[in-house]
Amino acid sequence: ILNVEQSPQSLHVQEGDSTNFTCSFPSSNFYALHWYRWETAKSPEALFVMTLNGDEKKKGRISATLNTKEGYSYLYIKGSQPEDSATYLCAFRGGSQGNLIFGKGTKLSVKP
Amino acid sequence: DAGVIQSPRHEVTEMGQEVTLRCKPISGHNSLFWYRQTMMRGLELLIYFNNNVPIDDSGMPEDRFSAKMPNASFSTLKIQPSEPRDSAVYFCASSLRTGVRQPQHFGDGTRLSIL
Repeated sequence: ILNVEQSPQSLHVQEGDSTNFTCSFPSSNFYALHWYRWETAKSPEALFVMTLNGDEKKKGRISATLNTKEGYSYLYIKGSQPEDSATYLCAFRGGSQGNLIFGKGTKLSVKP
Repeated sequence: DAGVIQSPRHEVTEMGQEVTLRCKPISGHNSLFWYRQTMMRGLELLIYFNNNVPIDDSGMPEDRFSAKMPNASFSTLKIQPSEPRDSAVYFCASSLRTGVRQPQHFGDGTRLSIL
């Protein structure tokens, strides 16, 4: 059984704080790691698809890094804003035909 | 550009009734996924299709669940007979191809309540 773990489960920060959270996944048979942003009452929205060890991706104030050898990815948010409040999901794919296995997400709340 | 369209948005029905959830993927996408989201288990893949063909249905919980994709622009997920434990949010997603490192695009989900 493939396990994708995310920590912390939830996070409360003040506006302006920078924050980061972790996704752990199996280090064998790695194909891709996805990050999604999921606002309440909306659908998950793709942030990044990461494929190579050492990959770093950035979109505005959000960035992510990938370590496939040790099986983790970090998502960073610089200068959090209230509109960043959402659940951030990571999903692991092992093999080109493998399914996406989702973690349970990190729920971020940013207080103004 | 229209995203993935799911219907209905909400469904409340009594135990034992047949439930049909519908999905229209993004035009040009040839992979389609059905997920179920619950508090306990998070987002779980039920089944996915490539070019309208079911590839992996190992996530379908039991024979009461079935899914079809008669053409590239339409898929259904059917539960017959429905049970209270089927209550969840069901998401449909599509992507260009599964074998390529493409993100999945999700619909807004169907919130299903079985009484």
